[in-house]
Amino acid sequence: GDSVTQMEGPVTLSEEAFLTINCTYTATGYPSLFWYVQYPGEGLQLLLKATKADDKGSNKGFEATYRKETTSFHLEKGSVQVSDSAVYFCSSNRGGSEKLVFGKGTKLTVNP
Amino acid sequence: EPEVTQTPSHQVTQMGQEVILRCVPISNHLYFYWYRQILGQKVEFLVSFYNNEISEKSEIFDDQFSVERPDGSNFTLKIRSTKLEDSAMYFCASSDRTGGTDTQYFGPGTRLTVL
Repeated sequence: GDSVTQMEGPVTLSEEAFLTINCTYTATGYPSLFWYVQYPGEGLQLLLKATKADDKGSNKGFEATYRKETTSFHLEKGSVQVSDSAVYFCSSNRGGSEKLVFGKGTKLTVNP
Repeated sequence: EPEVTQTPSHQVTQMGQEVILRCVPISNHLYFYWYRQILGQKVEFLVSFYNNEISEKSEIFDDQFSVERPDGSNFTLKIRSTKLEDSAMYFCASSDRTGGTDTQYFGPGTRLTVL
């Protein structure tokens, strides 16, 4: 069945460091891909999404490109801030199915 | 900004007891979902609901689980006889349209602890 594998955490970075969180997926067909973020004490919030191959999703300085050839959707940010500290979830949603399939989540801590 | 709310934030119950987890989806949304996350594991889909009926469910969603939209605003998940392994964070979500490109908006979750 469909699955999402993302980089195990936790990840600890200093402010202004470069961030990459790897995510790969397996799915039949052509899923849509998402990154969700969960700040402490809050629900899952959509960070960005991409719906077809080579699409780039971006938001708040974060980017991820839908790579069909490597079945990947890696999250990147050029310069992280303390306020980016959160848990990041990669997920996919196969067309025709309503369910989101999630990775395990990666906890990011950014130190000043 | 409209948001999904869930109550309670934390529920403790004894094994075998019934629990009802409550959610208020975003008001103009028509599609509703429940997910759960057992500590240290992935967020897992349980069920989706549209037009007063279940539209999709996972193998986790067995006869012990049920969902209901009792009025125009609430969406509930009932676990009839809780087991220890039901201990998890339960997330409600809603969207205004199904399909692969739609955004599901999540609530903050209810942490269920079964003793």
